[in-house]
Amino acid sequence: EPEVTQTPSHQVTQMGQEVILRCVPISNHLYFYWYRQILGQKVEFLVSFYNNEISEKSEIFDDQFSVERPDGSNFTLKIRSTKLEDSAMYFCASSESRGLNSPLHFGNGTRLTVT
Amino acid sequence: AQSVTQLGSHVSVSEGALVLLRCNYSSSVPPYLFWYVQYPNQGLQLLLKYTSAATLVKGINGFEAEFKKSETSFHLTKPSAHMSDAAEYFCAVSEFGNEKLTFGTGTRLTIIP
Repeated sequence: EPEVTQTPSHQVTQMGQEVILRCVPISNHLYFYWYRQILGQKVEFLVSFYNNEISEKSEIFDDQFSVERPDGSNFTLKIRSTKLEDSAMYFCASSESRGLNSPLHFGNGTRLTVT
Repeated sequence: AQSVTQLGSHVSVSEGALVLLRCNYSSSVPPYLFWYVQYPNQGLQLLLKYTSAATLVKGINGFEAEFKKSETSFHLTKPSAHMSDAAEYFCAVSEFGNEKLTFGTGTRLTIIP
């Protein structure tokens, strides 16, 4: 079964550095999402992306964050200047459509540790 | 604003016993509700979803959940626990269909042999 793949599985970075988290969604999917989970807390919606633009974003998704689909397969999340509180598990997801008959498929996540 | 509350961050049941994981929701409009499961080192996998078609929803792996509007609940049950059910379970709500899910904090289910 096709799956969403995320790389790397674990990223360690120093505060103030830029990081790029990479995701390869399922090939025929058109909607892409990033969620994050700070250790011990809820999984939180960050952003949704469709037709090469952001369709929805949360208040967490401030100017430090950006998303891009640089080619036909990758979907990336960039954090410009990481803060300690950005340490979390970041999940990418994709779906064929917005409809409820098209479930979200999540990747295994990237654990980001900011030191 | 939408939110979910999962009562019990850890639940332990014996193999063969009933599994009950609790979820209460808050939503300003009729909600869409979901249960996801996360096995170790894996992503979130959809177990089942409520979309207003039927109040009792059956999902994969023998799980089901009942939407009770009067109690604002969407508890997840399975009649007989199996060792392979050990995982973290997340309840989620959305007012926008498939987009912008709001998750609970999760319940870690442990199965006792």
